[in-house]
Amino acid sequence: AQTVTQSQPEMSVQEAETVTLSCTYDTSESDYYLFWYKQPPSRQMILVIRQEAYKQQNATENRFSVNFQKAAKSFSLKISDSQLGDAAMYFCAYRSALNAGGTSYGKLTFGQGTILTVHP
Amino acid sequence: DVKVTQSSRYLVKRTGEKVFLECVQDMDHENMFWYRQDPGLGLRLIYFSYDVKMKEKGDIPEGYSVSREKKERFSLILESASTNQTSMYLCASSLDGKLFFGSGTQLSVL
Repeated sequence: AQTVTQSQPEMSVQEAETVTLSCTYDTSESDYYLFWYKQPPSRQMILVIRQEAYKQQNATENRFSVNFQKAAKSFSLKISDSQLGDAAMYFCAYRSALNAGGTSYGKLTFGQGTILTVHP
Repeated sequence: DVKVTQSSRYLVKRTGEKVFLECVQDMDHENMFWYRQDPGLGLRLIYFSYDVKMKEKGDIPEGYSVSREKKERFSLILESASTNQTSMYLCASSLDGKLFFGSGTQLSVL
């Protein structure tokens, strides 16, 4: 079974600065997807960024980028130019890419979450 | 716009009560999920369904059951609620691997 670990329960950053959230995972599969989700106080889960394991290039979405190290099974999220609206709980998640009889059905395995505080 | 609706935002129940948490999606998705969210534990999968009347256990199914009589609706049932089931419950549906979440039900069992 796959596991996802976020070792930072809480992080804080000054507005306009950069912060990196850590995530490691364990799997025996070679093909999979990794995600970062944001959960603000509204509780609505928002997809921040997604990475396909077969792609070597790190995914980026505006101020959000990842550092994907497949051999090390590490998937960190970097938030640049932090804004007050970035304050939230962030979850790292894993999804198997199994199909053709071994479908994953889109199930995600989540980490424990990191609470990010942004100071003005 | 995609929509996953959970019937209650907050719910307070007594120990031993039978509790129904309802989730409806309007996207004709085949796959639906129930997760439980607890501080320090993240989200853990309780049950999921990949078609009408089809269900599979997730990682923590004990004390829960589910029902999917129609494609758009996936219900989570606590047959006899206990205090350790006090938690946030999140429903989701998926298509092509992309997950869409409801806004959660905070359940308190007293």
